[in-house]
Amino acid sequence: DIQMTQSPSSLSASVGDRVTITCRASQGISNNLAWFQQKPGKAPKSLIYAASSLQSGVPSKFSGSGSGTDFTLTISSLQPEDFATYYCQQYNSYPLTFGGGTKVEIK
Amino acid sequence: EVQLVESGGGLVQPGGSLRLSCAASGFTFSDHYMDWVRQAPGKGLEWVGRIRKKANSYTTEYAASVKGRFTISRDDSKNSLYLQMNSLKTEDTAVYYCVRVSHGMDVWGQGTTVTVSS
Repeated sequence: DIQMTQSPSSLSASVGDRVTITCRASQGISNNLAWFQQKPGKAPKSLIYAASSLQSGVPSKFSGSGSGTDFTLTISSLQPEDFATYYCQQYNSYPLTFGGGTKVEIK
Repeated sequence: EVQLVESGGGLVQPGGSLRLSCAASGFTFSDHYMDWVRQAPGKGLEWVGRIRKKANSYTTEYAASVKGRFTISRDDSKNSLYLQMNSLKTEDTAVYYCVRVSHGMDVWGQGTTVTVSS
């Protein structure tokens, strides 16, 4: 199975900050990586697929990059509605696997 | 509006069975692979399994943790996805999400809660 490791597991940031979350795959997954946002008590929301493609309706402050084993999600200017937990997920091979999550909290 | 609505969750004893349903609307259900993903209380996301579309013979994939106990099926005539869960264990306690596969897992239902406890 491909292990997905996210870092950090949590971070504190202020409104307006630029935030970067890292996801590392235990083996190469090309660009078969997605990012999700989840708020407490809610279903996850898809943000990015194919490592860098924005889902329809997702604001451009979210961006993704990477290929192979190392990926990043960047939020260009953190807003109050962005405080949530973020997950990466590989879909290069079965079983599909998620990272452990990064909780973004208010400083 | 594209929508997925899960139902069928509840409290079941260890060793018991439960069948979850997911009603799809607002898109051509038969064109899409569909997934189930679960989340145990206070934990991260875990992929449960996938069913492909008719053109791919409705073949399925499962996580090792549920293989042989869970079965995913679909009824395209009813725009519905199902998860039959047998031999349930306490560690199967989770919120279960139905997910459309398009550009990745692009649309999620609101989830239904399954609690396995005596």
